[in-house]
Amino acid sequence: EIVLTQSPATLSLSPGERATLSCRASESISIYLAWYQQKPGQSPRLLIYDASNRATGVPARFSGSGSGTDFTLTITSLEPEDFAVYYCQQRFNWPPCSFGQGTKLEI
Amino acid sequence: EVQLVESGGNFVQPGESLRLSCAASGFPFSAFNMNWVRQVPGKGLEWLSYISADSTSIHYADSVKGRFTISRDNAKNSLYLQMNSLKAEDTALYYCARDLTGLNFDYWGQGTLVTVSS
Repeated sequence: EIVLTQSPATLSLSPGERATLSCRASESISIYLAWYQQKPGQSPRLLIYDASNRATGVPARFSGSGSGTDFTLTITSLEPEDFAVYYCQQRFNWPPCSFGQGTKLEI
Repeated sequence: EVQLVESGGNFVQPGESLRLSCAASGFPFSAFNMNWVRQVPGKGLEWLSYISADSTSIHYADSVKGRFTISRDNAKNSLYLQMNSLKAEDTALYYCARDLTGLNFDYWGQGTLVTVSS
């Protein structure tokens, strides 16, 4: 089973700042990593798939990078609506897939 | 607009069964693979099951294999999850999710809550 470890668990930043979230896989997953955003009381929203592809309608301030075991989600110039929990998810050699434990981005 | 609306969640006792439904609209349902994903409130996400557009390919997570059955009715634009032998650890919010490309989930429903307790 491939384990994803996200860091930090909580990230405290202010609007306008840059956010860098990390996801590390327990073994190589090539580029098969996605990022989701979840706000309180809402279902997850796909942001990035296959490491660096933005999903439909996702603002350009969200970008993903990485391959192998180390991946990063970067949010340039945080907007108030960006404060949420972010999950990474791998689908290498699916099924199955697995999710990280989440990073809470708070003001 | 893509919409996925789950229903069927309830409070049940261990060992009982439940059938969840997901009504899809706003896209050609019969052309898309679909999934069920669950989330314990306040906790992380767990993929449960996948079904291809034509129902010829079905996969399950080990945690539910043999107990849960995924199915779909393309004529009714509906996805289902039959859950048998429910356990306390199955308590969660259950989402249906559209498959973008092999377990990338691009649209999610709002979820339906299943509580298993004696």
